[in-house]
Amino acid sequence: QSALTQPRSVSGSPGQSVTISCTGTSSDVGGYYYVSWYRQHPGKAPNLIIYDVTKRPAGVPDRFSGSKSGNTASLTISGLQAEDEADYFCCSYAGSFTFLPYYVFGTGTKVTVL
Amino acid sequence: EVQLVESGGGLIQPGGSLRLSCAASEISVSGNYMSWVRQAPGKGLEWVSVIFSDGTTFYADSVKGRFTISRDNSQNTLYLQMNSLRAEDSGVYYCARAPSGYDFYFDYWGQGTLVTVSS
Repeated sequence: QSALTQPRSVSGSPGQSVTISCTGTSSDVGGYYYVSWYRQHPGKAPNLIIYDVTKRPAGVPDRFSGSKSGNTASLTISGLQAEDEADYFCCSYAGSFTFLPYYVFGTGTKVTVL
Repeated sequence: EVQLVESGGGLIQPGGSLRLSCAASEISVSGNYMSWVRQAPGKGLEWVSVIFSDGTTFYADSVKGRFTISRDNSQNTLYLQMNSLRAEDSGVYYCARAPSGYDFYFDYWGQGTLVTVSS
């Protein structure tokens, strides 16, 4: 089972929007509505920002939004802020089969605020 | 406040064994779906293992047969027994919680513990 594919890096100026894609297969992203996104600042643990493709946990600003089409999920950050400069990882449930991982993560995307 | 605190990491020679611990507060390890997730230096996240509230376990292919996830309900602690360690097992190991068997995301993470496999 390969990791989900994300762009290595994206960048934008403050106030702009950026979108990060996360491409998997019909066995993970395409097969379930269970994609989550995490933001990770250097040296820190990941932090949940989107779950179940589109839902935001309490306290996460509505600048963060998620979507999915087929085998590709996307995270959009609107109104980019300096604090958004971090690594972002997608994650998908992949089913409770012994021949597949229960979860699969994306390769990660570095977001740079110019 | 929910806290997950990992410990047990360190420097270990290839082929050696290590047991990681994750002490939980304000949540029940036995009542949640607890996972271990690791991150090699400068690399992405990799899911390692999960234990369900009913004790069912799953493992990534890369650790199957070498790692064992378990818990001590009385200590409210999650464990990861790692045997036959390889250089590629090096990284920060996080414990993380999924709220239930119907929730497939991690809402709480520990701060991580560093494992270095090297001679």
